Amino acid sequence: EAGVAQSPRYKIIEKRQSVAFWCNPISGHATLYWYQQILGQGPKLLIQFQNNGVVDDSQLPKDRFSAERLKGVDSTLKIQPAKLEDSAVYLCASSLGLAGAGYEQYFGPGTRLTVT
Amino acid sequence: SQKIEQNSEALNIQEGKTATLTCNYTNYSPAYLQWYRQDPGRGPVFLLLIRENEKEKRKERLKVTFDTTLKQSLFHITASQPADSATYLCALDGGSSASKIIFGSGTRLSIRP
Repeated sequence: EAGVAQSPRYKIIEKRQSVAFWCNPISGHATLYWYQQILGQGPKLLIQFQNNGVVDDSQLPKDRFSAERLKGVDSTLKIQPAKLEDSAVYLCASSLGLAGAGYEQYFGPGTRLTVT
Repeated sequence: SQKIEQNSEALNIQEGKTATLTCNYTNYSPAYLQWYRQDPGRGPVFLLLIRENEKEKRKERLKVTFDTTLKQSLFHITASQPADSATYLCALDGGSSASKIIFGSGTRLSIRP
């Protein structure tokens, strides 16, 4: 079975510019997650979708970050405008079952963002 | 606030020995605890899940224990191999759609030949 796909793999932008990341989860997976992983730290949940509805976005900096999941499948995460502290790896993950049911998550390779 | 601590940033052990990694948490009541492996430049890969009412789970050379009284999970790799070298992350799941999943910062394990 195909894994979680993410693009681009790498992105370098200047501060105050905007950037968008794309994620295609494993087919049939109901729940989709976006994480931010700063070097040396564990992944930090930004937003969690169940089908095409938001379950948790409490840690998403909504003044600059936005995310959507179209038709309950693909998802995009956008940052506008970017700050230096947004430099991190952005990971997308999906799971078969509903949020909170203990299903394992399948992660994509991530997008490494560098803000200069 | 909710907090997870993984015992050390790095652990260096001899091939063939058992590696033991620790995950401690506070201000959280997880229904599930998961362990993931992460290699450089790649996303985490799921290894094991243990439920709050389970004491121990095994899979091949891996063993996880879960003590909700001590608020601690131990992750063991027996007969360790250099290929086991990676960062290992623990993650807590509160068990409802309203609970936030939180990851520890990971322990970097190195197995020397």
